Amino acid sequence: RKEVEQDPGPFNVPEGATVAFNCTYSNSASQSFFWYRQDCRKEPKLLMSVYSSGNEDGRFTAQLNRASQYISLLIRDSKLSDSATYLCVGTNTGNQFYFGTGTSLTVIP
Amino acid sequence: ETGVTQSPTHLIKTRGQQVTLRCSSQSGHNTVSWYQQALGQGPQFIFQYYREEENGRGNFPPRFSGLQFPNYSSELNVNALELDDSALYLCASSWTGAGANVLTFGAGSRLTVL
Repeated sequence: RKEVEQDPGPFNVPEGATVAFNCTYSNSASQSFFWYRQDCRKEPKLLMSVYSSGNEDGRFTAQLNRASQYISLLIRDSKLSDSATYLCVGTNTGNQFYFGTGTSLTVIP
Repeated sequence: ETGVTQSPTHLIKTRGQQVTLRCSSQSGHNTVSWYQQALGQGPQFIFQYYREEENGRGNFPPRFSGLQFPNYSSELNVNALELDDSALYLCASSWTGAGANVLTFGAGSRLTVL
């Protein structure tokens, strides 16, 4: 079983829409969680960390539910520039980072 | 602040050959991780180096090996290349110690095995 699993999509949404991505992790001892963004043929870049209390960065909201081993990312008022692959990431007790397969988002004009 | 740099950016090898990929970590980082990313997949963890020693390994065979140098730069070596080794190889550096731990990636080395 993979450490981190997410729906690969693709998600095709109109500009201005709200879209949510979900991710589950298998190791209850996982320490930290992140969302990374990867543009086509580029390296992944940190979008935001995910905290148990939930955290928001502008139009982006991340949530962590340790009881259900579930992470989510909500994007409000989608922009064309949000089109990318969103990678769910968890760390283990050895401080190694494990990535999901990524969820592809295309925002349509 | 100097970011993570990788070389070469692209290379083509034939089956059975050996390849060495290089990575310079971001200034202030002491840990390097290597990932393999096949088309349409997320990055797969190969191994991590900290204090010049392997500190965790993913599900990759021994023909994948690495080094970390005193300046925290790193190499990934792959022997006996197979067609399925064709992928983007990503190096990421991070800080192991007190404080926030975030991975910063280089632009990757794209390997094609023919």
